[in-house]
This record gives sequence, structure tokens and C-alpha cells, in this order.
Amino acid sequence: AQSVTQPDIHITVSEGASLELRCNYSYGATPYLFWYVQSPGQGLQLLLKYFSGDTLVQGIKGFEAEFKRSQSSFNLRKPSVHWSDAAEYFCAVGNQAGTALIFGKGTTLSVSS
Amino acid sequence: NAGVTQTPKFQVLKTGQSMTLQCAQDMNHEYMSWYRQDPGMGLRLIHYSVGAGITDQGEVPNGYNVSRSTTEDFPLRLLSAAPSQTSVYFCASRPGRNTEAFFGQGTRLTVV
Repeated sequence: AQSVTQPDIHITVSEGASLELRCNYSYGATPYLFWYVQSPGQGLQLLLKYFSGDTLVQGIKGFEAEFKRSQSSFNLRKPSVHWSDAAEYFCAVGNQAGTALIFGKGTTLSVSS
Repeated sequence: NAGVTQTPKFQVLKTGQSMTLQCAQDMNHEYMSWYRQDPGMGLRLIHYSVGAGITDQGEVPNGYNVSRSTTEDFPLRLLSAAPSQTSVYFCASRPGRNTEAFFGQGTRLTVV
């Protein structure tokens, strides 16, 4: 069965510093991968997605992610973090039938001044 | 542009009570799903549907029922609420296979 692992439960980054959130997936074929962000008390917003093609994908709010098949990873990056980026981040993979998304447990990002 | 609408936003139930969480989408999406979100557990799939009349179980289906009589609506029923069902519930819709999900704002359910 497909699964997603986000190794870091909580990360604190200084404002203006770079960010990398890790995501590893378990999937036999080419995966459909997503990153979502959830602000406190809100629903989930799509940051970016990977289906095929260029392994470096750009998303909203200055985020990007790189698909590395050899490492089964889809890490999320941002060059310079803003205080408003503090939120919970979820990585997800489409299940094998393509009928639903499977989510990781999330990484909470705190931004210090 | 409503997107995915969930009602109610908050609900308190007593153990053993039943209720239905409503989810409606106006994007003509074929696929809909229900998730529950618990601290440290991420989002876990409860049930999903790939079209009207078609539903299937996800990772944590016990204690929940669903039906999909129309493309727009995908209600989640709790037949006999238990404290373990205290959670935040999210409904999502997708245009089709291997597409991104669009989420509602969630329903915070407390069972006492």
C-alpha cells in the first residue's frame, strides 16, 4: 500500500532563512505527489503538485519541490521564509488506483524573528 | 464561487447520538473523500467516492457510513457517536483520477 513519511514533526526556522521539509513516499510506479499547507483553523491549500516531466516544480508563495525517484523523496523548499509561512505542511501521494490521496502526518513549521 | 462547503462547522454530540456531516461541492467533480484529522496523525481517509452511486472504504471506515446519490453531495453519517470520533473532519473533491484535491473548511466534532 502507498504511504507517505514526513520525518520531521516540528521545525523552527528563523525569518529570512531557507527551509526544506522532507517527504518520502512508498509507491511502485510513477507517483502523483502533492504538498498542501494548513494555517491554524483553516482547510488545506494546495502548494504544488508533481505528475510527470520536470522534476523541479514551482508552486505558490515562492515554494518549490524536487522529485527524486532514486531517493523516493519529494522535498519542499523555500529560499527565504516569512513569518506568514508558519503553518502545518502535508505531503500527499495519489493511491495506486488514483481514487484518493494518502497524506503524511504533517510537519509544523514555526518561524522565529 | 463556493467550492466545497461543509456544515456544520462545529458540533458537540453525546455518546451514542447520531448525526450527519454535510458536504457539497459545486465544481461538478466526480471524486469526493472524507478525512479525519487528529493531532500527530495527519489526515486519514475514511471513505471515498468516484461517482454517484459508488463509494468505497478508506483507512479508518469503522463507525462511519456514506452514500453518494448525487454528484454534488457526499454526506458522512455517524450512527452511534463515540468519544474516539472526536476529531476535525474534512471533505475534499477532485475533478477525476490523479488530480489534486480541493478541501472544505472542516467540521470540528466533539463527542462527550
